[in-house]
Amino acid sequence: EDKVVQSPLSLVVHEGDTVTLNCSYEVTNFRSLLWYKQEKKAPTFLFMLTSSGIEKKSGRLSSILDKKELFSILNITATQTGDSAVYLCAVGQYYGGSQGNLIFGKGTKLSVKP
Amino acid sequence: DGGITQSPKYLFRKEGQNVTLSCEQNLNHDAMYWYRQDPGQGLRLIYYSQIVNDFQKGDIAEGYSVSREKKESFPLTVTSAQKNPTAFYLCASSAEGAGRQPQHFGDGTRLSIL
Repeated sequence: EDKVVQSPLSLVVHEGDTVTLNCSYEVTNFRSLLWYKQEKKAPTFLFMLTSSGIEKKSGRLSSILDKKELFSILNITATQTGDSAVYLCAVGQYYGGSQGNLIFGKGTKLSVKP
Repeated sequence: DGGITQSPKYLFRKEGQNVTLSCEQNLNHDAMYWYRQDPGQGLRLIYYSQIVNDFQKGDIAEGYSVSREKKESFPLTVTSAQKNPTAFYLCASSAEGAGRQPQHFGDGTRLSIL
């Protein structure tokens, strides 16, 4: 069965800390891995990764994919209270049971304390 | 502004009642999706549509129905057959099938039972 596993499920840090969120997957016909940030409502898109070893960066956030070991990490440096959210990892397939749709992990709930 | 609009934000269902959640997008996206999110869970796919007048069941389609008569609209009906409808419902769209292009989400509808 295809699955996406995120760890940890929740994390509490203080402002200024650096955090690493993990996403491992066992998915047939892998096409891409996506990260989203979800605050109260709509998940907002952060990154889409398709190639191993190529880091994507946006401000204090960065992410990298390892297709050999089947995982990705999302790093957040110098965390701020505004980074508090649930971070979702999802994997897209070329085809398969969901016909190329996204399979989501359960998310990591990050709380950043002032 | 381009985006996805879901309405209503909150909805209450009585026993035996069907309710319809609206989802409209002006992004000119071909693909649209409905997800259900329960506390502490990731997003689970209910239905998706890659083109007008065509849609496919996702992982948890029982008790739900959809239509796709127009490119910009993908309403979801929660029928009385869905015995546990209380959840947060998210609609999404993407330019191409998931995995090739990121999905973008609406702000969600929170459905509760009266």
